[in-house]
Amino acid sequence: GAGVSQSPRYKVAKRGQDVALRCDPISGHVSLFWYQQALGQGPEFLTYFQNEAQLDKSGLPSDRFFAERPEGSVSTLKIQRTQQEDSAVYLCASSFKEGNQPQHFGDGTRLSIL
Amino acid sequence: GESVGLHLPTLSVQEGDNSIINCAYSNSASDYFIWYKQESGKGPQFIIDIRSNMDKRQGQRVTVLLNKTVKHLSLQIAATQPGDSAVYFCAEKEGSARQLTFGSGTQLTVLP
Repeated sequence: GAGVSQSPRYKVAKRGQDVALRCDPISGHVSLFWYQQALGQGPEFLTYFQNEAQLDKSGLPSDRFFAERPEGSVSTLKIQRTQQEDSAVYLCASSFKEGNQPQHFGDGTRLSIL
Repeated sequence: GESVGLHLPTLSVQEGDNSIINCAYSNSASDYFIWYKQESGKGPQFIIDIRSNMDKRQGQRVTVLLNKTVKHLSLQIAATQPGDSAVYFCAEKEGSARQLTFGSGTQLTVLP
């Protein structure tokens, strides 16, 4: 597609449920990032993939968060046993290659945990 | 930059005037900077970037200025239009890092 596509746009889950968020990056983009954005704040880094390799997961807040990109294109962010503090917008970004390149963002998934 | 939670700095300008949005960064090792525009319910949209070996870069109606001495970045928008109303974020990247670090945003409101 022309841009980064994320689904679902909105997700409501009960505390304790598992959720999976999908990101389809711009075709041909090697680098893929996940960020978390709380209301009124800037995005904060979660994890980074170069092709299928997860090279940095230092921003994942707990071991309940897991991300994968098995074929080097589509990525999934999974949150297990969700808690209320997981409520946020989850943004995916991709860039053509690693380095000083613009990251292009999708419109995010707004996750609400009840 | 520090997060300001729900209380974003705000800037109101008259339609047609020029806007200047400022950003202070703290990491002297940052060598790449980006400005993003974020409208409600949308993801950040790339506006313009600048590398640390430059101090000015121009785009269409936008100019980014970088002052490494005082670690300051600014975004100038010429002839501001209603469609420019949004939250603007600066972001920086340290040379060895892969991810962007975002500053606190500024809410720009264009008055008719």
